[in-house]
Amino acid sequence: GENVEQHPSTLSVQEGDSAVIKCTYSDSASNYFPWYKQELGKRPQLIIDIRSNVGEKKDQRIAVTLNKTAKHFSLHITETQPEDSAVYFCAASKGYGQNFVFGPGTRLSVLP
Amino acid sequence: NAGVMQNPRHLVRRRGQEARLRCSPMKGHSHVYWYRQLPEEGLKFMVYLQKENIIDESGMPKERFSAEFPKEGPSILRIQQVVRGDSAAYFCASSPGQRTYSNQPQHFGDGTRLSIL
Repeated sequence: GENVEQHPSTLSVQEGDSAVIKCTYSDSASNYFPWYKQELGKRPQLIIDIRSNVGEKKDQRIAVTLNKTAKHFSLHITETQPEDSAVYFCAASKGYGQNFVFGPGTRLSVLP
Repeated sequence: NAGVMQNPRHLVRRRGQEARLRCSPMKGHSHVYWYRQLPEEGLKFMVYLQKENIIDESGMPKERFSAEFPKEGPSILRIQQVVRGDSAAYFCASSPGQRTYSNQPQHFGDGTRLSIL
């Protein structure tokens, strides 16, 4: 079955700097890759997603890149702010009717 | 536009009792997923249901755990004879139905924190 790895497990950056979180997946049939942000004690919230027919997607300060050949995808957050501090989860899915396989998460701390 | 609704938010049970967790998907969503999250850990898939059907239960323990999503009413995750190791946050997510055959994002509820005494 699919296996998703995520690095780093923890990440501290200074406010205003960029943060990059990388995920790798094992099943080349996976074609949908969402990213979720989870603040302490709260629900995971979708922040951006990418499908396998696209190499990059941006939404304001957040971007995701996908390298299908290498089977990895990355989350980029620019101009980080303290409210970006949370745990971020990547996931992979093989298509309609398939569950998501989540990575173990990255705890991001943005230091003022 | 109500999101995914889970109740109760917190549930305390003694060992050996039963726990029932409820999930109402977003309006218009017919797919429901249950995940389990231990403190400081990721989301572990348990079961995926559509109305009156279990599509994938590969992540759910074979004993004591069951799930349903009836034609009317919420999806229910049921844990019988709970043990201390069942203590966790249980999240439900939902996604739209069959309008397209491409992946749709899952939207999560606030979760149920289950504590076993």
